[in-house]
Amino acid sequence: AQSVTQLDSQVPVFEEAPVELRCNYSSSVSVYLFWYVQYPNQGLQLLLKYLSGSTLVKGINGFEAEFNKSQTSFHLRKPSVHISDTAEYFCAVSAQGAQKLVFGQGTRLTINP
Amino acid sequence: NAGVMQNPRHLVRRRGQEARLRCSPMKGHSHVYWYRQLPEEGLKFMVYLQKENIIDESGMPKERFSAEFPKEGPSILRIQQVVRGDSAAYFCASSPTGTGSPEAFFGQGTRLTVV
Repeated sequence: AQSVTQLDSQVPVFEEAPVELRCNYSSSVSVYLFWYVQYPNQGLQLLLKYLSGSTLVKGINGFEAEFNKSQTSFHLRKPSVHISDTAEYFCAVSAQGAQKLVFGQGTRLTINP
Repeated sequence: NAGVMQNPRHLVRRRGQEARLRCSPMKGHSHVYWYRQLPEEGLKFMVYLQKENIIDESGMPKERFSAEFPKEGPSILRIQQVVRGDSAAYFCASSPTGTGSPEAFFGQGTRLTVV
């Protein structure tokens, strides 16, 4: 079975500051990794995914994440955030060959002007 | 190309009533997943269906919950005799393939409130 831990439930940052949202996972098999964003009262939108290859993955809206197998982490980063990035961010994992996603508890990113 | 369509967006039911949540997958997608998001929590997998088949229902509560994805029409998540604890956001996702990358596209969810 897989599990995901998002280490911060809330992250407040100032506009134009850098941000890192942390995600650790556990799994006994190889996995795929995902970050989703959820704006208020909306569904989930895929930000980026790691399937294989380069461990640095670039996504939409200027976000990127790095897969670190030895530390079982997949932290999300953005060098300069905007007010519009205010949302809930979910890290998710699935075992390769499986179909269901296992989500973390979410991190609420709040951008202050 | 329309995305995953869920309806209704909001649903209010009294305790003991039935709730029916509908999901139309993206065009060309034959795999549907249902997830539940309780307040202040992440999403939890409920069930994975293909047309006319339930592939994985390991996340479904044993009683009162059922799901189907008929040959024609949307996928339906049915909750009988709802209780307050069923209040949550229910999300449907769809994908075009059943193996490999499980990249799923999510709908906007149905927010169920049981009063």
